[in-house]
Amino acid sequence: KNEVEQSPQNLTAQEGEFITINCSYSVGISALHWLQQHPGGGIVSLFMLSSGKKKHGRLIATINIQEKHSSLHITASHPRDSAVYICAVPPYSGGGADGLTFGKGTHLIIQP
Amino acid sequence: SQTIHQWPATLVQPVGSPLSLECTVEGTSNPNLYWYRQAAGRGLQLLFYSVGIGQISSEVPQNLSASRPQDRQFILSSKKLLLSDSGFYLCAWSGGRDGQPQHFGDGTRLSIL
Repeated sequence: KNEVEQSPQNLTAQEGEFITINCSYSVGISALHWLQQHPGGGIVSLFMLSSGKKKHGRLIATINIQEKHSSLHITASHPRDSAVYICAVPPYSGGGADGLTFGKGTHLIIQP
Repeated sequence: SQTIHQWPATLVQPVGSPLSLECTVEGTSNPNLYWYRQAAGRGLQLLFYSVGIGQISSEVPQNLSASRPQDRQFILSSKKLLLSDSGFYLCAWSGGRDGQPQHFGDGTRLSIL
């Protein structure tokens, strides 16, 4: 079964800094998810990617399938980016129709 | 457009009482449906998933059960709640094929007293 490691667990940065969050997993997959969880608990899906890079606004996600590694970057970080960022992958090889296995999350705080 | 509704948002229940959390999806047919739990200080964990009416798969043994009486309805239940059932419960859906994004409900915060 897939195991997910995320780093760092906690990250505090100043507004405007470039942020990188890393995710590694153990079993080959066809798609990886990046999620954002706000203090109230609600979860938003940021990206689902299977190769290369995706960009949405100031957020960029990359994945290297061979190395089983993904990164989430935030450019020009802002206090409203403060949240928990979670990496998730299928528990077994495949795309995840049978659910997701989650990393423990990275608690990001952006100070003004 | 597709929407997912989960209720209630918060729930306080005594130990030993029953539980029923409901999740419905609109705007799509034959979705894959999921129940996840986030215990205090821990990561999200898959509890149940369903790929069709009456089809339930369980990931971990627990005090909970799930049912899918209709195509777009997913219910999480317990006959007798334990203190360890406290947590944040999330329902989610995805398209019927592999590699589809998951869409999450707003969650239910369950406190057991």
